[in-house]
Amino acid sequence: RKEVEQDPGPFNVPEGATVAFNCTYSNSASQSFFWYRQDCRKEPKLLMSVYSSGNEDGRFTAQLNRASQYISLLIRDSKLSDSATYLCVVNSINAGGTSYGKLTFGQGTILTVHP
Amino acid sequence: SQTIHQWPATLVQPVGSPLSLECTVEGTSNPNLYWYRQAAGRGLQLLFYSVGIGQISSEVPQNLSASRPQDRQFILSSKKLLLSDSGFYLCAWKEGWDRNSPLHFGNGTRLTVT
Repeated sequence: RKEVEQDPGPFNVPEGATVAFNCTYSNSASQSFFWYRQDCRKEPKLLMSVYSSGNEDGRFTAQLNRASQYISLLIRDSKLSDSATYLCVVNSINAGGTSYGKLTFGQGTILTVHP
Repeated sequence: SQTIHQWPATLVQPVGSPLSLECTVEGTSNPNLYWYRQAAGRGLQLLFYSVGIGQISSEVPQNLSASRPQDRQFILSSKKLLLSDSGFYLCAWKEGWDRNSPLHFGNGTRLTVT
């Protein structure tokens, strides 16, 4: 089983739609979670961190479900400019149990918003 | 403020040639440093990460190596490149003292091995 898994999509939605992505992780000891956005041929950029109680930033809502080991991203009122690949990132402890430095990406979910 | 520099932006190298990609971070101390690779149309693969000088964790046993000669410098190397080494190489840093801090990426190096 992969450490971090995402549905690669693509998701094709009209402007104004609401779309949700899920990301599952295998290591129950994971401590921090993030969503990144990557535009074509560019480096990933932080979209938002994911907090235990869930958090919102404008049209974007992130949630964490520790029991089921997944995080989600909800985008409301989609804009054309939201078209991108969305990557979830999960940290995990190293083999020696001393460091949470390892950060693993999911394979990304492609979103296309059309007029 | 913190900045990350990665170079070169693009690189074309023949098979069997050596590789050296360099990444430096400014404005912070003792960061965690990372090398990721992204093949065309694929996700980001963690290659190496470092939580301190001389401490390198390798995630992918390939013909690549990494070194951290200084606190804010991270180097990715290969003695002999393979065609399969082509890809988009990304250096990243995060605060070492805060496990909840996010990654910040450099602009990346697009490597083509011919």
